Amino acid sequence: AQSVSQHNHHVILSEAASLELGCNYSYGGTVNLFWYVQYPGQHLQLLLKYFSGDPLVKGIKGFEAEFIKSKFSFNLRKPSVQWSDTAEYFCAVPSGRGSTLGRLYFGRGTQLTVWP
Amino acid sequence: EPEVTQTPSHQVTQMGQEVILRCVPISNHLYFYWYRQILGQKVEFLVSFYNNEISEKSEIFDDQFSVERPDGSNFTLKIRSTKLEDSAMYFCASTLGGGYQETQYFGPGTRLLVL
Repeated sequence: AQSVSQHNHHVILSEAASLELGCNYSYGGTVNLFWYVQYPGQHLQLLLKYFSGDPLVKGIKGFEAEFIKSKFSFNLRKPSVQWSDTAEYFCAVPSGRGSTLGRLYFGRGTQLTVWP
Repeated sequence: EPEVTQTPSHQVTQMGQEVILRCVPISNHLYFYWYRQILGQKVEFLVSFYNNEISEKSEIFDDQFSVERPDGSNFTLKIRSTKLEDSAMYFCASTLGGGYQETQYFGPGTRLLVL
């Protein structure tokens, strides 16, 4: 089974600081990778996803993530965070090509707090 | 934009009681999921459902759990006899297609507290 690690549990930044949240996965084959975000009181929503091609993926709200196969990583980045980015961020991986239905394995989540 | 909805947003119940959590997936979606998140832990897959059948279930999804699509819009999760450890946030999700590349659209969750 897949496993996903997010090593930063709580990140606190000031506005305009740069952000990088780590995500590592265990499966060594071809992977698909997702970052979801949950703003306070709202549902999980897709931030960005990687399937193939350019390993640098751009998502909504200025976020991007880079897939580095050799490091089994898919780190999320934003050059300049805003107060409105305060949320919980989840990295997720589906169970793999053997699965016809995309059961997702989630990381533990990283709570980002941005101070104005 | 269409959204997945869930009711209730919060539910408090006594241990041993039955609870039913309700979800309305996006209307043209065909694949449905339940996940849960115990406080401080990972979001965990419970079950996936397609064509009125369970497609996959995790080890968490034991005989106390069941899912149903009673009509064309609702998708429910029933816990027959709740335990303290069932206290968690329960998320419903849906997708249009069933492949691993599909984006899952999540509802806002139901926070279940078992006393």
